[in-house]
Amino acid sequence: EIVMTQSPATLSVSPGERVTVSCRASQSIRSNLAWFQQRPGQAPRLLISGASTRATGVPARFSGSGSGTEFTLTISSLQSEDFAVYYCQQYNDWYTFGQGTKLEI
Amino acid sequence: EVQLVESGGGLVQPGRSLRLSCAASGFSFDDHAMHWVRQVPGKGLEWVAGISGKSDSIGHADSVKGRFTVSRDNAKNSLYLEMNSLRVEDTALYYCVKKSSDIFDMWGQGTMVTVSS
Repeated sequence: EIVMTQSPATLSVSPGERVTVSCRASQSIRSNLAWFQQRPGQAPRLLISGASTRATGVPARFSGSGSGTEFTLTISSLQSEDFAVYYCQQYNDWYTFGQGTKLEI
Repeated sequence: EVQLVESGGGLVQPGRSLRLSCAASGFSFDDHAMHWVRQVPGKGLEWVAGISGKSDSIGHADSVKGRFTVSRDNAKNSLYLEMNSLRVEDTALYYCVKKSSDIFDMWGQGTMVTVSS
């Protein structure tokens, strides 16, 4: 099983800040990586697939990068609605998720 | 508009069975693989099972293999998860998820399963 490790687990940030979340795979997953946002009480929402392709309707302040085993989600200028938990997921070999990164004020 | 509505969750004793359903609408159901993903409240996400559009490819996570069975009825635009020999550790919110080109692009709101004596 491919293990996905996110860091940090929690990030204390302020609106307007630039945020970077990291995700590492235990083996190469090429670019078969997605990022999801989960707000409190809501289902996860797809943000990015293919490591760097934004889903329909996702604001341009969200960007993804990386390939192989190292990946990054960047939010260029944090908005109030971005305070949520973010998960990475690999779909190269079945499906596994990172443990999540919580953005809090 | 794509809609995925899960049902069938509830409180069940360890060792008993439960069947979850997911009613899909707003897209061509049989063109898409469908999956179940679960989440213990306050914890992370775990893939449970998936099934291709024509039911010719099926997979289950090791943690549920032999106890859970995913199936679908394309005539009814419905996805199912038959859960047998339930354990306390199966307690979670179960999401129905639509897959498009390997991507989990739409999620339902989930149905809660609580396994407790």
